[in-house]
Amino acid sequence: EAGVTQFPSHSVIEKGQTVTLRCDPISGHDNLYWYRRVMGKEIKFLLHFVKESKQDESGMPNNRFLAERTGGTYSTLKVQPAELEDSGVYFCASSKRGRTDTQYFGPGTRLTVL
Amino acid sequence: GESVGLHLPTLSVQEGDNSIINCAYSNSASDYFIWYKQESGKGPQFIIDIRSNMDKRQGQRVTVLLNKTVKHLSLQIAATQPGDSAVYFCAERYGSSNTGKLIFGQGTTLQVKP
Repeated sequence: EAGVTQFPSHSVIEKGQTVTLRCDPISGHDNLYWYRRVMGKEIKFLLHFVKESKQDESGMPNNRFLAERTGGTYSTLKVQPAELEDSGVYFCASSKRGRTDTQYFGPGTRLTVL
Repeated sequence: GESVGLHLPTLSVQEGDNSIINCAYSNSASDYFIWYKQESGKGPQFIIDIRSNMDKRQGQRVTVLLNKTVKHLSLQIAATQPGDSAVYFCAERYGSSNTGKLIFGQGTTLQVKP
């Protein structure tokens, strides 16, 4: 069974540009999560999808971040316009069903905003 | 070797010794706790979890202990190997939440000396 995959693995952009990150969860997993880790700090929750619906988006920093999961399969996280403080590693995780299931993480996308 | 709380960022142990990584969690209503291992360039990898109705759970070479009285979680690794070198994160999930949002600690870097 393939794990969670994320694309790209690295992205370097300039302040003010737009970047879109993609996550493909494990097949059959209804729950999809986005987290990020800013340099040297803890991993922080961004949001949680159940299929195509946003169950919890309490961790989204501001309206420059837009997450979608059309069709309940893969998800995208768009940052527009990017700011310096958005730099970090963005992780996606998925779980099969329910809030109590184990979350399996992807390798992350390292975003650098110059 | 032993780390205390979330504020000791690095733990160094000799190969073959037992390691103990500690974590103080924040919410007495949390009902689920997880340990993840993150190797360089990879995403967090699930190690072991424990629910709040238990105080101990064992896996292969790992044991998680939960002390709800003092809101303390520990990960014990037996016969530490060089491949155990990584950053270890504890995470909790609030029982009152209807989402799977995980709250992570800052992480402890485990260094295994040959």
